Amino acid sequence: DIQMTQSPSSLSASLGDRVTITCRASKGIINNLAWFQQKPGNPPKPLIYAASSLHSGVPSRFSGSGSGTDFTLTISSLQPEDFATYYCQQYNTYPLTFGGGTKVEIK
Amino acid sequence: QLVESGGGVVQPGRSLRLSCAASGFTFSAFTMHWVRQAPGKGLEWVAVISFDAGKTYYADFVKGRFTISRDNSKNTLSLQMNSLRPEDTALYYCVRETMVLHAFEIWGQGTMVTVSS
Repeated sequence: DIQMTQSPSSLSASLGDRVTITCRASKGIINNLAWFQQKPGNPPKPLIYAASSLHSGVPSRFSGSGSGTDFTLTISSLQPEDFATYYCQQYNTYPLTFGGGTKVEIK
Repeated sequence: QLVESGGGVVQPGRSLRLSCAASGFTFSAFTMHWVRQAPGKGLEWVAVISFDAGKTYYADFVKGRFTISRDNSKNTLSLQMNSLRPEDTALYYCVRETMVLHAFEIWGQGTMVTVSS
């Protein structure tokens, strides 16, 4: 199975900060990597697919990069609605696997 | 839209069948998944079924106990869960893939399964 390691597991940031979350795959997954945002009581919301493509309606302050084993989600200027938990997921190989999540909290 | 149902409280070793009703898109054209989330925990992929039910794959922890199926004539996805264990306690989501790139695109609200004596 491909292990997905996210870091950090949590972070505190202020409004307007630039935030970067990393995700490392235990094997190469080309660019078959997605990012999701989840708020309490809600299902995950798709943000990014194919490592760097934004889903429709996702604000442009979100961006993704990487290929192979190392990937990054960046929020260029943190907004109040961005405080949430973020997950990466590889969909290159079954079983599909998720990272452990990164909780973004208010500093 | 995806709407899950069938969750509830069940004793260890018993069975439960989850359903997911799809609407607003051509259900028969899309690969579908089940993903679960234990209370306060992360996301776990459970199973997938191809658009025509020709292929299925399962996570190791449910293999032999859970069966994913679909009825394209009724726009319904199902998950038959047998020999349930306390560690199967979770919110179960129905998820649709994108048509081409196989990324997750649409999630239901989930249905809660609690396995407890």
